[in-house]
Amino acid sequence: EFQLAESGGGLVQPGGSLRLSCAASGFSVTYNFMNWVRQAPGKGLEWVALIKNEGTTFLADSVQGRFTISRDDSKNTLHLQMNSLRADDTAVYYCAKEYFYRFDCWGPGTLVTVSS
Amino acid sequence: QSALTQPPSASGSPEQSVTISCTGTSSDVGGYDYVSWYQHHPGKAPKLLIYDVAKRPSGVPDRFSGSKSGNTASLTVSGLQPGDEADYYCSSYAGGNNLYVFGTGTKVTVL
Repeated sequence: EFQLAESGGGLVQPGGSLRLSCAASGFSVTYNFMNWVRQAPGKGLEWVALIKNEGTTFLADSVQGRFTISRDDSKNTLHLQMNSLRADDTAVYYCAKEYFYRFDCWGPGTLVTVSS
Repeated sequence: QSALTQPPSASGSPEQSVTISCTGTSSDVGGYDYVSWYQHHPGKAPKLLIYDVAKRPSGVPDRFSGSKSGNTASLTVSGLQPGDEADYYCSSYAGGNNLYVFGTGTKVTVL
């Protein structure tokens, strides 16, 4: 069974940094497309970032230049490094495994709150 | 890339059907057959219901069905059950810088 579990969320001040992690089990992050998706309070889902199996990364315009997606193959873990955080980055962040243009496995999410 | 447009809410009595629309543009919904639908119970992980417009993953009941016409995709939930009360989101591949776009979400209530 495929499972994902996010961690690392919390309260951070505007301009600060945070690193999210997503531990995978039942499959290897190395050989799959892995994404981050977020949901701001009272809002819909928003795609944030993708890392392909070969390592190519893609970021949404809203986080370009501030966020970095990466993975640790030895720990079967996905990461999202978030810098220069703003209030509108406040959201629940989900990691999701992608398979041919659909997200077939999601974690329960981790809450990031950007506030002074 | 703007979010796909969904009605904020939909409702039906048990055993009835509801249909949720998802309207985009020719750059996303209308341009690719990569529309998927997700069921989200708040506080839990979203669940894939439909992919490639109308395909169901194994384990998803055939009460859930999808379709698309032009720039609008639809999800129909037949034979409503109390457990179907959840938020539903559509998604489409969009290419470009923002690879995927999601819908605004629809809260389904079983009366």
